[in-house]
Amino acid sequence: KAGVTQTPRYLIKTRGQQVTLSCSPISGHRSVSWYQQTPGQGLQFLFEYFSETQRNKGNFPGRFSGRQFSNSRSEMNVSTLELGDSALYLCASSLAGSPPYEQYFGPGTRLTVT
Amino acid sequence: AQTVTQSQPEMSVQEAETVTLSCTYDTSESDYYLFWYKQPPSRQMILVIRQEAYKQQNATENRFSVNFQKAAKSFSLKISDSQLGDAAMYFCAYRSAGDMRFGAGTRLTVKP
Repeated sequence: KAGVTQTPRYLIKTRGQQVTLSCSPISGHRSVSWYQQTPGQGLQFLFEYFSETQRNKGNFPGRFSGRQFSNSRSEMNVSTLELGDSALYLCASSLAGSPPYEQYFGPGTRLTVT
Repeated sequence: AQTVTQSQPEMSVQEAETVTLSCTYDTSESDYYLFWYKQPPSRQMILVIRQEAYKQQNATENRFSVNFQKAAKSFSLKISDSQLGDAAMYFCAYRSAGDMRFGAGTRLTVKP
C-alpha cells in the first residue's frame, strides 16, 4: 500500500496570504489528523477528522481550518498567514480514529512565511 | 491539560549497547494509549511501539521495549543492541479519546 502523501512538500508564502495543504491517507484509512511541528513548540495537534467530521481540535486560532472529503483525503487551510506559522505540517492517518489509534505519518509540508 | 515530558533533550549510545529514553505524562483519564515515535533525519515519523494503559504487560517489538509504570505515569523506551539506523528524534506520545499530545523529543545519537 502507498503511504500517506502530502502536497506540496515545500511552500513559501508571504504574510497575510492564505495557504491550503493536502493530505491523502493510506488506502482504507478513514481518520486524518494534522500536526504543526516547530523547533520552539515541538509537535502540536491541530485537528482530527473522521468520516468528513471534525472529531477533535487542538488549541489553535480560527485561522487554522480543515476539512475531509468523502474519499478521506483532507485539506487544511491557514488564512492570514503570520511569520509564526512557519513550520513543518504533518498529516497522519489511521484506520478508524478509534483505539488503538495507531497513526501513520506523511513526510510533511514545509511552510515558510516571509 | 494532559502533558507529556521527555526530560532528556539528547542521548548518546555506543553501537550494540543499550539505551533508555525517559517519558512521563500527566492525565486524569483511565483509558489511554502511549506511543513512541521515531523521526529520522528524513523527517518521516515512524511508529516504534504502542502500549495500552489497561495492559499490565510491557510492550515489546524486537529490540525495542517499554517500561510502563502506570501509577508513576512513566513510560520509558529501551533500545537494545543499538544500531546506527536508530539515530533519530524519538517522541513519546499520549492519546485518549479526545486528546493527542507529544513530548518535546529526545535526540538519540549512535556512535560507531
